Amino acid sequence: DTAVSQTPKYLVTQMGNDKSIKCEQNLGHDTMYWYKQDSKKFLKIMFSYNNKELIINETVPNRFSPKSPDKAHLNLHINSLELGDSAVYFCASSNRDLGGNEQFFGPGTRLTVL
Amino acid sequence: AQKITQTQPGMFVQEKEAVTLDCTYDTSDPSYGLFWYKQPSSGEMIFLIYQGSYDQQNATEGRYSLNFQKARKSANLVISASQLGDSAMYFCAMSSSGAGSYQLTFGKGTKLSVIP
Repeated sequence: DTAVSQTPKYLVTQMGNDKSIKCEQNLGHDTMYWYKQDSKKFLKIMFSYNNKELIINETVPNRFSPKSPDKAHLNLHINSLELGDSAVYFCASSNRDLGGNEQFFGPGTRLTVL
Repeated sequence: AQKITQTQPGMFVQEKEAVTLDCTYDTSDPSYGLFWYKQPSSGEMIFLIYQGSYDQQNATEGRYSLNFQKARKSANLVISASQLGDSAMYFCAMSSSGAGSYQLTFGKGTKLSVIP
């Protein structure tokens, strides 16, 4: 019974390609997030979606586009991949009505751009 | 703007001893939450403990407790009776409702190594 799942777990691709990472949660949460963890292990928020609506869009290149078809899914599409996009991307979810005191992470997707 | 500071890049502790991982925070929001996550070498983010800014008592979860000192803006994690499996990166994080959602702001992490 995976709470937050991501696919793929590993993604290796060439510079300039377009790729997507999928995320699904079965916790009934209404808010989903994408975080990026760089090579120094620093985690930073990228996007936040509540009920399919974008709330937060931190300073992220517009090559990154989140898409939320429904409350349980938040996918991340990346165009024209660059070497600096290599990182681990984590999806997470929480329920805003609970005050955000539960925030669960997916297993992460390790993206390597060659 | 919110900020989380973890001043200990690395820590060592003897097995079965207790260890305290430091975390200080800065925010202007009156309502916020403080989290600790564990990230083992396998890479997943494991939720450990949560403390709300209005909670009167320090949070505890098994061997984990959060030493919350609001006036000092600190939220230290205490791990009692350390085990070899506790060796991992530990992240302190903060959330607030100010931005309309509860995205987390993370510290840079502390790498804990448990020595047998």
